[in-house]
Amino acid sequence: SYELTQPPSVSVSPGQTARITCSGDALPKQYAYWYQQKPGQAPVLVIYKDSERPSGIPERFSGSSSGTTVTLTISGVQAEDEADYYCQSADSSGTPVFGGGTKLTVL
Amino acid sequence: QVQLQESGPGLVKPSQTLSLTCTVSGGSISSGSYYWSWIRQPAGKGLEWIGRIYTSGSTNYNPSLKSRVTISVDTSKNQFSLKLSSVTAADTAVYYCARGGYHGADAFDIWGQGTMVTVSS
Repeated sequence: SYELTQPPSVSVSPGQTARITCSGDALPKQYAYWYQQKPGQAPVLVIYKDSERPSGIPERFSGSSSGTTVTLTISGVQAEDEADYYCQSADSSGTPVFGGGTKLTVL
Repeated sequence: QVQLQESGPGLVKPSQTLSLTCTVSGGSISSGSYYWSWIRQPAGKGLEWIGRIYTSGSTNYNPSLKSRVTISVDTSKNQFSLKLSSVTAADTAVYYCARGGYHGADAFDIWGQGTMVTVSS
């Protein structure tokens, strides 16, 4: 089955830039999406179609794509950004697939 | 503003069928080019897409669960439902309903708060 691979954890200091990657063979052909999930809460969409930001999402969240890897970048990380982040895309048949998640720790 | 709310039993016995309903409020389930999905998350683990339904009634399921899953929609009640048969402890998870198709893409922009389902005798 198709897999999206994320690093288990990323740590950054406040004000620094966090980059979370997601790798998958189908990413050159399928859009990627990113979700933020805080403990006990439902996920929140922060990036869609690789690099678009939904309304209400701070400008410090951005997305990019290069080949089989997509990246979520959080510039000027704040304490409130500490959360789990999941990438999502689709396999060749269009079945949605989620990455394993990355825990972002703000030191 | 559209909101989603899951409901159903929090405890299901092994081998029985898990049944959940998602009620859509603040808008019609039939409006726009959206679809409606179920997604689950075992405690401390990642997200797993279960399946989706369009208001036309067309469905798609995760191949790993396809033999046990049925998703249906009741547009008159603004609800869609999940049935998962022959459950085991591995099906214990928080189950979310979500709206997909945001900006014509496979993005889930609205989620329910989630409901915990435990499979245990």
